[in-house]
Amino acid sequence: SQTIHQWPATLVQPVGSPLSLECTVEGTSNPNLYWYRQAAGRGLQLLFYSVGIGQISSEVPQNLSASRPQDRQFILSSKKLLLSDSGFYLCAWSSNRTPLTEAFFGQGTRLTVV
Amino acid sequence: AQSVTQPDIHITVSEGASLELRCNYSYGATPYLFWYVQSPGQGLQLLLKYFSGDTLVQGIKGFEAEFKRSQSSFNLRKPSVHWSDAAEYFCAVGMFSGGYNKLIFGAGTRLAVHP
Repeated sequence: SQTIHQWPATLVQPVGSPLSLECTVEGTSNPNLYWYRQAAGRGLQLLFYSVGIGQISSEVPQNLSASRPQDRQFILSSKKLLLSDSGFYLCAWSSNRTPLTEAFFGQGTRLTVV
Repeated sequence: AQSVTQPDIHITVSEGASLELRCNYSYGATPYLFWYVQSPGQGLQLLLKYFSGDTLVQGIKGFEAEFKRSQSSFNLRKPSVHWSDAAEYFCAVGMFSGGYNKLIFGAGTRLAVHP
């Protein structure tokens, strides 16, 4: 069966520090991968998606970047965190088939920038 | 542009009462519609989904949703709410855009259940 792992679960970082959040998927090949951010009262905002190794697309301009060094690994990064980067970050995967039948989510990372 | 609207940010119901959470979408093609639930500090769990066919779909935990194309709506219902249903609920539209599949979410509805 497929599983998705996301870590760390909680992170407190000072302003200006770097960030690296990791997500890995098991039990499937060539998935579509997604990073979402959830801010209070604003639902889930799609930040990045990837359809393959090294293929990253950004949905919104921001202080963050994403990379996919391996087929089932998706990393969210920042060189210098801002206060506004605080939020709950969710990684998700879906089959690369069309249409999208379901997306599966990790348990999330609560990031607090202080 | 594609969008999903959940007009109710917070809803409070008494345990045992019925529940309806509203969802409206804007999408030019045939929508693929989803409802997810999120417990505090957790990821999202799929409640139900609609692709085609019968417009009334059944999901887990006693939830159902009805697709109404004329109203661009996909409202979630439960006849009798349990205290454990307190959570945040998200409606989403799945679409194929720009060469890939993605889910667009509404802002969510936070459900509180009074004993």
